[in-house]
Amino acid sequence: AQSVSQHNHHVILSEAASLELGCNYSYGGTVNLFWYVQYPGQHLQLLLKYFSGDPLVKGIKGFEAEFIKSKFSFNLRKPSVQWSDTAEYFCAVNGVDSGGYQKVTFGTGTKLQVIP
Amino acid sequence: DARVTQTPRHKVTEMGQEVTMRCQPILGHNTVFWYRQTMMQGLELLAYFRNRAPLDDSGMPKDRFSAEMPDATLATLKIQPSEPRDSAVYFCASGLVRDRGIHEQYFGPGTRLTVT
Repeated sequence: AQSVSQHNHHVILSEAASLELGCNYSYGGTVNLFWYVQYPGQHLQLLLKYFSGDPLVKGIKGFEAEFIKSKFSFNLRKPSVQWSDTAEYFCAVNGVDSGGYQKVTFGTGTKLQVIP
Repeated sequence: DARVTQTPRHKVTEMGQEVTMRCQPILGHNTVFWYRQTMMQGLELLAYFRNRAPLDDSGMPKDRFSAEMPDATLATLKIQPSEPRDSAVYFCASGLVRDRGIHEQYFGPGTRLTVT
């Protein structure tokens, strides 16, 4: 079974601070990894994804994430956050479930609050 | 600009009533997911379909929830009878499974359900 852990449930930062949100996954096979963002009152949108190749992936709005296979991690980073980054961030992993089918598992989310 | 659509956007109903939520996935996507989001439980996977066949509905309370895909352009989630604890935002998402797995999911705007 696959699982995703997001250890930070609520993060508060001042504008211009750097951001790093942790994501660890548990799965033994090949994975695809995603970060989604949910702005207040809206639906989830894809920030970035990793399928293969360069483990450092860049997404929209200045976000990036690094896949470290040895640590089973896919942490999200942004050098300088803005008030508009206030949102909830979800890490997700795609693997194969016990029935042999592709499945996506989401983490519990991290609420980011950016203070002007 | 292809989007997942969901209807209704808001639904207020009394306990015991039947609720039907509809989702139109993006044309060409072969996987559909239903999620429930609440403050307490976060984002929960209720069911997912591939090529209209249900692959996993273990996240759904079987006695009252049912999910179907009568055709490729429509997915439905029904609750009968509804209970106050079903109050949540229900998201539908569609995606495309290719060789390496599910490419990103596209989420609909959600149905905000309130059961009184």
